[in-house]
Amino acid sequence: GNSVTQMEGPVTLSEEAFLTINCTYTATGYPSLFWYVQYPGEGLQLLLKATKADDKGSNKGFEATYRKETTSFHLEKGSVQVSDSAVYFCALITQGGSEKLVFGKGTKLTVNP
Amino acid sequence: GAVVSQHPSWVICKSGTSVKIECRSLDFQATTMFWYRQFPKQSLMLMATSNEGSKATYEQGVEKDKFLINHASLTLSTLTVTSAHPEDSSFYICSARDSGGVYSNQPQHFGDGTRLSIL
Repeated sequence: GNSVTQMEGPVTLSEEAFLTINCTYTATGYPSLFWYVQYPGEGLQLLLKATKADDKGSNKGFEATYRKETTSFHLEKGSVQVSDSAVYFCALITQGGSEKLVFGKGTKLTVNP
Repeated sequence: GAVVSQHPSWVICKSGTSVKIECRSLDFQATTMFWYRQFPKQSLMLMATSNEGSKATYEQGVEKDKFLINHASLTLSTLTVTSAHPEDSSFYICSARDSGGVYSNQPQHFGDGTRLSIL
C-alpha cells in the first residue's frame, strides 16, 4: 500500500539555522507529493507540492525536490524564523487512484530566538 | 479563495451528549469532503470520506454509528459525535475537495479544526 515516512521530531533549532525534514514514500504508480504546515490550534495549509519526478516545489523559503530514484521529498529551508514553528506533514496522493491523501506522522518544529 | 469553514472551533460538553460539527466550503462546491481526527503528538487519522448525496465511506475501525456523517449539499458536511465520552475528546479537522473547479490545484482544502472536550 501507499505510505509516507517522515523523520520523528521534535526538532528544535535556533533562528537562522538550516532546516531539513526527511520524507520518504512508498507508492504504487506515480504519486504527487506535498508538504503541509499546521500552526498551533489551526488546520493544515498546503506549503508546497511537486507532481512529477525532479520537480522542485518552493514557497516561503521552503523547498523540496521530488526524487524518484530515492523515493524522497525532503523539506529544506536555509534560514528558519521563529514564525516557522509549526508541525510539518509530508503527504502523497496517487494519480487516478483514491482521492485520499496519505500523511506522514508529522514533525514538530520549534525555532527559538 | 478556497475557504473551508469549520464550526464550532471549540466545544466543551458533558459525557453522554451528542455534538455536531459543521464543515462548509464557502467559495466552491465540494462533492467530496473528508473528516480527520488528530491525536496527541499530531498524528492524523482519516475517519471517513463524505460524498454529497450518498453515504459516507468509513475507514476501518471507525464506528459509523458513533460518528454520523451527513453531506446533504455541495457545500456542507456535518459530523455528529453521538453519546460522546471523554475518550472522544480530540481535535477534529475537515477538508473539502474542489473537483475540477478553480481550486482543484490542491487535492484538499482544510478547515481550522474543532477542539472537542468531553467532561
